[in-house]
Amino acid sequence: KQEVTQIPAALSVPEGENLVLNCSFTDSAIYNLQWFRQDPGKGLTSLLLIQSSQREQTSGRLNASLDKSSGRSTLYIAASQPGDSATYLCAVDNNNDMRFGAGTRLTVKP
Amino acid sequence: DVKVTQSSRYLVKRTGEKVFLECVQDMDHENMFWYRQDPGLGLRLIYFSYDVKMKEKGDIPEGYSVSREKKERFSLILESASTNQTSMYLCASRTIAGGGYTQYFGPGTRLTVL
Repeated sequence: KQEVTQIPAALSVPEGENLVLNCSFTDSAIYNLQWFRQDPGKGLTSLLLIQSSQREQTSGRLNASLDKSSGRSTLYIAASQPGDSATYLCAVDNNNDMRFGAGTRLTVKP
Repeated sequence: DVKVTQSSRYLVKRTGEKVFLECVQDMDHENMFWYRQDPGLGLRLIYFSYDVKMKEKGDIPEGYSVSREKKERFSLILESASTNQTSMYLCASRTIAGGGYTQYFGPGTRLTVL
């Protein structure tokens, strides 16, 4: 059974810093990996999806990488802003069996 | 933009009541999902549907049933609500056409069972 781990559980940084969120998974036979953002009391917003054949995806200040062989993905956020404060979740898709990490709660201080 | 809507943001029900949670998506997506999210346990899949009238159990289907009579609508039913079903319920949809696979989530329904 796929297990997804996110480290750290919480992170606090000053505005303007670049930061990296980590996601690891135990079964490398994945279809894709998706990063989400969740604001308190709200649903999940998709940020980036990386197909199993891809190594990275970029959207604005966000860059996600995937290394299937080592079971790792990272989400890089450049020049962080207070509006980036949220919980970030990664999810691994093994053919309709989607497993979520517990998330990293990010706080960006002005 | 894909839009996934859920019938209620907040719901309070009594133990033993039958509860219906509705989810509607407007992008003709084949797959739809129901999750619950609890502190310390993360998101857990209750049921998913890969097409109309088709459903598959997820990790925690006990105490729940689902209905998908139309492609755009996926309903979650709590047959007899219990206090341990107090949770945040999240619906999601996706298309598998073109290799997309991105899941789009609704805003969630916070259900409290008293």
